[in-house]
Amino acid sequence: SQQGEEDPQALSIQEGENATMNCSYKTSINNLQWYRQNSGRGLVHLILIRSNEREKHSGRLRVTLDTSKKSSSLLITASRAADTASYFCATLFTGTASKLTFGTGTRLQVTL
Amino acid sequence: ETGVTQSPTHLIKTRGQQVTLRCSSQSGHNTVSWYQQALGQGPQFIFQYYREEENGRGNFPPRFSGLQFPNYSSELNVNALELDDSALYLCASSLGDSYEQFFGPGTRLTVL
Repeated sequence: SQQGEEDPQALSIQEGENATMNCSYKTSINNLQWYRQNSGRGLVHLILIRSNEREKHSGRLRVTLDTSKKSSSLLITASRAADTASYFCATLFTGTASKLTFGTGTRLQVTL
Repeated sequence: ETGVTQSPTHLIKTRGQQVTLRCSSQSGHNTVSWYQQALGQGPQFIFQYYREEENGRGNFPPRFSGLQFPNYSSELNVNALELDDSALYLCASSLGDSYEQFFGPGTRLTVL
């Protein structure tokens, strides 16, 4: 079963705008990770945030984590057409040694 | 550094048949995880192998089985195929308990 939900399910923006995706999960976690998937192919790791962190940046990506609300958000700033993809959050639980539990994904479309 | 590779890319089988999917892990990685991704869904954890031993299993029936070889490559076997087994099968390699997993491009299985 899926761990959580991404919101929105689909997002369409113009190049240069910011894109924000949200993820909710259900249980305690060690960390939360965001992945990107192009056209139903392999997943690319974007960023990891640990349960004791609240915000993390990597290039144009900004991730926040609120463990009290069991939610995370991914912000992509100054989006580009090449950012068009599906984005998934995945959580890792204590003691499950690298078993990732994914959400349902947000499909992002960036138009010129 | 060699990335994760999977074969075949696409596969078409009929109900009741058996299938074997293959995965070569990234150089230096000793852990392989397999995921099933149905259309429009996030990946779901099938099982993980660490140093040739199964190291965790998701909610999949016993007809899903696997192997890991001394060179850390891996196979996923599915017996008695059902229509609902149609999906993208992803493998990911990692180093021990490392949280970051590196995904292969996937094998698209269609069961008719």
